[in-house]
Amino acid sequence: QKEVEQDPGPLSVPEGAIVSLNCTYSNSAFQYFMWYRQYSRKGPELLMYTYSSGNKEDGRFTAQVDKSSKYISLFIRDSQPSDSATYLCAIGSDTGRRALTFGSGTRLQVQP
Amino acid sequence: GAGVSQTPSNKVTEKGKYVELRCDPISGHTALYWYRQSLGQGPEFLIYFQGTGAADDSGLPNDRFFAVRPEGSVSTLKIQRTERGDSAVYLCASSFQPNTEAFFGQGTRLTVV
Repeated sequence: QKEVEQDPGPLSVPEGAIVSLNCTYSNSAFQYFMWYRQYSRKGPELLMYTYSSGNKEDGRFTAQVDKSSKYISLFIRDSQPSDSATYLCAIGSDTGRRALTFGSGTRLQVQP
Repeated sequence: GAGVSQTPSNKVTEKGKYVELRCDPISGHTALYWYRQSLGQGPEFLIYFQGTGAADDSGLPNDRFFAVRPEGSVSTLKIQRTERGDSAVYLCASSFQPNTEAFFGQGTRLTVV
């Protein structure tokens, strides 16, 4: 079992839809949660960083962390064709390895 | 520049050759990470530096891979006797401190032929 599981998609939605992207993780020591967006042949771009359980909002993006269920989500409101990319969840811990563990990424396609 | 800079952006090399990949992190960032990303996969951890020292090199796949960060800023990932299986995108990231926001460069696409 991978430490971080993420549905690879592709996920195809019409423009304007609300998108829900999710990851589950197995290690309760994980404390830091990030979402990255990666366009084809580009490096990952940081979208959201959260530390605790709960919600964090930034424009059209909302990150949600449920540590009790080991489940994190990224919601995108009013999705746009420019949101078409691969979304990676990344999780970190203060103990053990100090580097991020990534999910495999979900490919999102927003149809105009 | 303000972001993480990686050079070269593309590298094609013959099997058995030696390659060096360079990463110039964001100024003031003490933590530097190297990852490797294969097609359709998320980045996989290789090595983490805190300052000049390799704090965790447990992700390096074998002893052909080595990385340095002699002055606590620029880092070089070195791969000896390259194999076709080394072909991937090598990503570098930096953060102000461990487990704060980590910012990535555009990566170096390595192709071993």
